[in-house]
Amino acid sequence: DIQMTQSPSSLSASVGERVTITCRASEDIKHYLNWYQQKPGAAPKLLIYAASTLQSGVPSRFSGSGSGTHFTLTITTLQPEDFATYYCQQCYSVPPPTFGGGTKVEIK
Amino acid sequence: EVRLMESGGGLAQPGGSLRLSCAASGFTFSASAMNWVRQAPGEGLEWVSVISASGDKIYYADSVKGRFTISRDNSESTLYLHMDSLRVEDTAVYYCAKDVEWLRRFDIWGQGTAVAVS
Repeated sequence: DIQMTQSPSSLSASVGERVTITCRASEDIKHYLNWYQQKPGAAPKLLIYAASTLQSGVPSRFSGSGSGTHFTLTITTLQPEDFATYYCQQCYSVPPPTFGGGTKVEIK
Repeated sequence: EVRLMESGGGLAQPGGSLRLSCAASGFTFSASAMNWVRQAPGEGLEWVSVISASGDKIYYADSVKGRFTISRDNSESTLYLHMDSLRVEDTAVYYCAKDVEWLRRFDIWGQGTAVAVS
């Protein structure tokens, strides 16, 4: 199975800041990488798929980039509603699709 | 409105069984593959199983293979997960998730149902 590693595991940031989260795959997954957002007590929500395609309805301050083994999720101007845990997921070598360990974005 | 609603969670003893259900509405259920994904308390997400739209293709995570059975009733727009031989480590919130392009992404998730094995 492909292993996904996210960094950092948590970060503190202020409203208005730019935030970048990194996800690394244990082998080449081309562009088959998704990002999900999960708020406490809620289900995950698809933000970005195919590494850089914004899911319908997701604000444009979210963006994704990368290919191969290195990917990033960027939030350009952090909003109060963005404080959550973010997960990357590879969907290249499936099954199983595998998730990263998550990055918790907390208020500074 | 596209919606998934899980039910059937609860407390079970080790070695026991539970059946989870996921009722779908707002989309053509019979045309969509469906998945179960779980999240242990304080932990990350773990994919559990997938079933194709017609039910003819099924896969499981190694951690549940031989103990869990995924199924669906397209006439009732309902997905199931029958869990046997439950272990303490199966304790988690179980989510059903609508599949897009066969495991390429999960675009709709239910609110989850909690399973505790103790």
